[in-house]
Amino acid sequence: DIQMTQSPSTLSASVGDRVTITCRASQSISSWLAWYQQKLGKAPKLLIYKASSLESGVPSRFSGRGSGTEFTLTISSLQPDDFATYYCQQYNSYSPWTFGQGTKVEIK
Amino acid sequence: EVQLLDSGGGLVQPGGSLRLSCAASGFTFNNYAMSWVRQAPGRGLEWVSAISASGGTTYYADSVKGRFTISKDNPKNTLYLQMNSLEGEDTAVYYCAKGGLSVADYFTYWGQGTLVIVSS
Repeated sequence: DIQMTQSPSTLSASVGDRVTITCRASQSISSWLAWYQQKLGKAPKLLIYKASSLESGVPSRFSGRGSGTEFTLTISSLQPDDFATYYCQQYNSYSPWTFGQGTKVEIK
Repeated sequence: EVQLLDSGGGLVQPGGSLRLSCAASGFTFNNYAMSWVRQAPGRGLEWVSAISASGGTTYYADSVKGRFTISKDNPKNTLYLQMNSLEGEDTAVYYCAKGGLSVADYFTYWGQGTLVIVSS
């Protein structure tokens, strides 16, 4: 199975900050990586697919980069609505699809 | 507008069974692979099972293989997860998720989730 490791686990930031979350795969997954945002008590929401493609309707302050084994999600200017938990997910090899353990972005 | 409505969760004793449903609308259901993903209380996301668009191919996480069965009723636009021999570790919110045209894809939409509690 491909293991996905996110860092940091928790990130404290202020409105307006630029924040970056890292996701590492245990083997190369090309660009088959997605990012999701989950707010407390809600279903995850797709933000980014194929490592860097922005899902329709997602604000342009979100961006993704990377390929192979190392990936990043960046929020260019953190907004109040962005405080949430973020997950990466690989879909290079199915069965099993795997997620990172999550990064909680909280108010500093 | 894509909508996925999860239902069927509840309290069940260890060793019991439950069937989850996911009613889909707003897209051509028989063209898309679907999955179930779960989230134990306070924990991260765990993929559980997937099914191809036609329903002919299924995939399972090792943790549920042999106990859970995924199925897809295309005429009824409904996804199911039959869960047998339930264990405490199966306690979680279960989400259905819409995949892509290929089963090896990311999840574009998620249901609201249905809570399964396995406890005596």
